[in-house]
Amino acid sequence: EVQLVESGGGLVKPGGSLRLSCAASGFTFSNAWMTWVRQAPGKGLEWVGRIKSKADGGTTDYAAPVKGSFAISRDDSKNTLYLQMNSLKTEDTAVYYCTTTYGSWGQGTLVTVSS
Amino acid sequence: QTVVTQEPSLTVSPGGTVTLTCASSTGAVTSGYYPTWFQQKPGQAPRALIYSTSNKYSWTPARFSGSLLGGKAALTLSGVQPDDEAEYYCLLYYGGAGVFGGGTKLTVL
Repeated sequence: EVQLVESGGGLVKPGGSLRLSCAASGFTFSNAWMTWVRQAPGKGLEWVGRIKSKADGGTTDYAAPVKGSFAISRDDSKNTLYLQMNSLKTEDTAVYYCTTTYGSWGQGTLVTVSS
Repeated sequence: QTVVTQEPSLTVSPGGTVTLTCASSTGAVTSGYYPTWFQQKPGQAPRALIYSTSNKYSWTPARFSGSLLGGKAALTLSGVQPDDEAEYYCLLYYGGAGVFGGGTKLTVL
């Protein structure tokens, strides 16, 4: 069974940093392209960024609002995806989901940016 | 800034058929945008339904189908059930980056 479990969310002050993790199991993680999606409270889905498999170059793409402040990485030896978030703003408050190209989603982790 | 537009809300009767659409501010949607559709119910994580325009996942009910229609991506539900009441989102890819539509709230009444 495919499982994606996000962790690392919490309360952080504006300008702070946070690193989210997504632990994957039930599929060959190293072959998967992985994506982060977020959803602000009461709002729609927002695509954050994606990392390709190393076999496909391991490159990353980001949405314009987070380019330069967020970074996605992966550790295939640990079957784990990461989202490093720097210079956080109040508008980054959201539930952050990790997803795979195989269609599975985690349950999300809440990030609250507030003073 | 690229905008992906969906109907804000639609209402359908049980057993009926409804088509949700997904338009791009850049012009006609083609298969090269890899249209993907998701369903989200209140308090739950989204669930993927359709990828690359019309491909279904193993868990996608047969009554859901994806297509291109009149320059837009489309999701058609045939034989709608009360359980299909949910928010539906489309996702289009522009080069490497994805952009979600604003979502369609589907009411089954």
